Amino acid sequence: DAGVIQSPRHEVTEMGQEVTLRCKPISGHDYLFWYRQTMMRGLELLIYFNNNVPIDDSGMPEDRFSAKMPNASFSTLKIQPSEPRDSAVYFCASSLSSGRVDEQFFGPGTRLTVL
Amino acid sequence: GDSVTQMEGPVTLSEEAFLTINCTYTATGYPSLFWYVQYPGEGLQLLLKATKADDKGSNKGFEATYRKETTSFHLEKGSVQVSDSAVYFCALRNFGNEKLTFGTGTRLTIIP
Repeated sequence: DAGVIQSPRHEVTEMGQEVTLRCKPISGHDYLFWYRQTMMRGLELLIYFNNNVPIDDSGMPEDRFSAKMPNASFSTLKIQPSEPRDSAVYFCASSLSSGRVDEQFFGPGTRLTVL
Repeated sequence: GDSVTQMEGPVTLSEEAFLTINCTYTATGYPSLFWYVQYPGEGLQLLLKATKADDKGSNKGFEATYRKETTSFHLEKGSVQVSDSAVYFCALRNFGNEKLTFGTGTRLTIIP
């Protein structure tokens, strides 16, 4: 199993540019999560999906952030326009809900730097 | 709402020392409890978990016991190694909810 795949691993962009982060969850998993990690705020849940449907987006910081999951094997997190304070490591995670408590599997993360 | 409070870091220990990282929680109902570990440059990975009171989770020499009376889930290891250097996150998940609530993380450094 390849695990959760994220791309790119590193992104450097200038303020005002659009940034798109990509995630491929583990095949068969029905939940997908987007997190942001910074030194100041720690690990924050931004949004999560169940069967491709957004369930809770209360952690999305503002309208500049949007997330989609067009199918079970792909999700994107978009920031438009980007700002320096968006610099962080963004993680995608997936899990399989089967009525038991199961773990979330994290991808390696995308390190975003906005200049 | 649910919350997790864990020991402030960073923590620096010598190899073979005993490790404790404290974690307490506040939650409605009966949550499941987790410890995740993040090695440098990587995503988080599950270290151990416990789903009900008095359960003990264990993995790679680490242990944590679900203590409902003290709402705690402290992580322990009897003899740490340099390879245990990482950031450790305590987390909870309430029944019927897929969201994990994480603590702030504790950075552990083991020196030879």
